[in-house]
Amino acid sequence: SAVISQKPSRDICQRGTSLTIQCQVDSQVTMMFWYRQQPGQSLTLIATANQGSEATYESGFVIDKFPISRPNLTFSTLTVSNMSPEDSSIYLCSAADRADSPLHFGNGTRLTVT
Amino acid sequence: AQKITQTQPGMFVQEKEAVTLDCTYDTSDQSYGLFWYKQPSSGEMIFLIYQGSYDEQNATEGRYSLNFQKARKSANLVISASQLGDSAMYFCAMRDTSGYSTLTFGKGTMLLVSP
Repeated sequence: SAVISQKPSRDICQRGTSLTIQCQVDSQVTMMFWYRQQPGQSLTLIATANQGSEATYESGFVIDKFPISRPNLTFSTLTVSNMSPEDSSIYLCSAADRADSPLHFGNGTRLTVT
Repeated sequence: AQKITQTQPGMFVQEKEAVTLDCTYDTSDQSYGLFWYKQPSSGEMIFLIYQGSYDEQNATEGRYSLNFQKARKSANLVISASQLGDSAMYFCAMRDTSGYSTLTFGKGTMLLVSP
């Protein structure tokens, strides 16, 4: 199974600033996704990171707020822009080799916005 | 739309005992996949076990087994011989059948294992 490295593991940021989270997979994967987990909540899909094209965003998430890049089959970034305290969450990168294979996750980025 | 329901916010079990975490799902699809993940306090999501809707036998992975009852639309996780390290949040999830492997998650169950 793919090993997913995510950084930073945690950060404390001031409101109005932006943070870029990096996700590196140790093998080429077809699918990469970004999830958000707000405090005490379950995981919510932000977007599917598409290699070489614009990400596909879920309802309630927009590109201006959460721009995503995926320049190749092993790497993706998620930026949380113009942050507010409501953005304080764990952000998780995930990947799968095929549509029928389990989804594996990185260790997550624990973001606190003050 | 797919929906996952985990009705147990928290569960307690003594070390070495077995515990069942409940999960029911709702979907109109005939083909789907069900997953269980473990999330320790560190925040990482650890894949535990998978059951396909067409699998005739219940999935097992070491101390984890999935009690799959298709007619009742339930996919309960059974942990045998609980260990202190099993204390964590457990999430049931269902795969979207669009082929893009996205998952819908339940709200989770917090399991505490006592000595």
